[in-house]
Amino acid sequence: GAVVSQHPSRVICKSGTSVKIECRSLDFQATTMFWYRQFPKKSLMLMATSNEGSKATYEQGVEKDKFLINHASLTLSTLTVTSAHPEDSSFYICSATHLGQLGNTIYFGEGSWLTVV
Amino acid sequence: EDQVTQSPEALRLQEGESSSLNCSYTVSGLRGLFWYRQDPGKGPEFLFTLYSAGEEKEKERLKATLTKKESFLHITAPKPEDSATYLCAVQEDTGRRALTFGSGTRLQVQP
Repeated sequence: GAVVSQHPSRVICKSGTSVKIECRSLDFQATTMFWYRQFPKKSLMLMATSNEGSKATYEQGVEKDKFLINHASLTLSTLTVTSAHPEDSSFYICSATHLGQLGNTIYFGEGSWLTVV
Repeated sequence: EDQVTQSPEALRLQEGESSSLNCSYTVSGLRGLFWYRQDPGKGPEFLFTLYSAGEEKEKERLKATLTKKESFLHITAPKPEDSATYLCAVQEDTGRRALTFGSGTRLQVQP
């Protein structure tokens, strides 16, 4: 089946630095990808919609200058957390829509754990 | 505003004890209702998409059903490996393609 891959799966960075997380659709093209954030024992909260070739659409309350999203190709979206702070530590998950024989299916990546120290 | 409510919040079953998880939703128009399984520290694993009331889908011990107001995930004769958090999400039939998630049901199946 369709696969969405994220990298890195775990990253530790120092406060004030930036870190980039990649999301790839491995065997299908995705014009739209989504970025979510998940806190422990909580559900997924949508951060932004990543559109290939255009600017991302951010949810209310999400700082677009802090969470930079780039969707440069039909198989790759990146999330860069700039000037990271400990409160940015979280589980970040991306997803992509696959239109196939099963219909409209949205697949998720394995997630990326970010720890800011 | 879309709302997705899952119940119960947590469920503990004995192996072989069948049960159902509920997902109630409120949307102006439903494009699809999705069920996912999530293991600790992992991304959600796709299970089903349901599109219209009356639709049912099955996969191994899982069966998902849909009405105009809610969806059920029936688990028949669960095994310990079915222990996970089950997430329900809805997608509107508007231009917004992102999913709105419920808070999930944490299922624990004891041997």
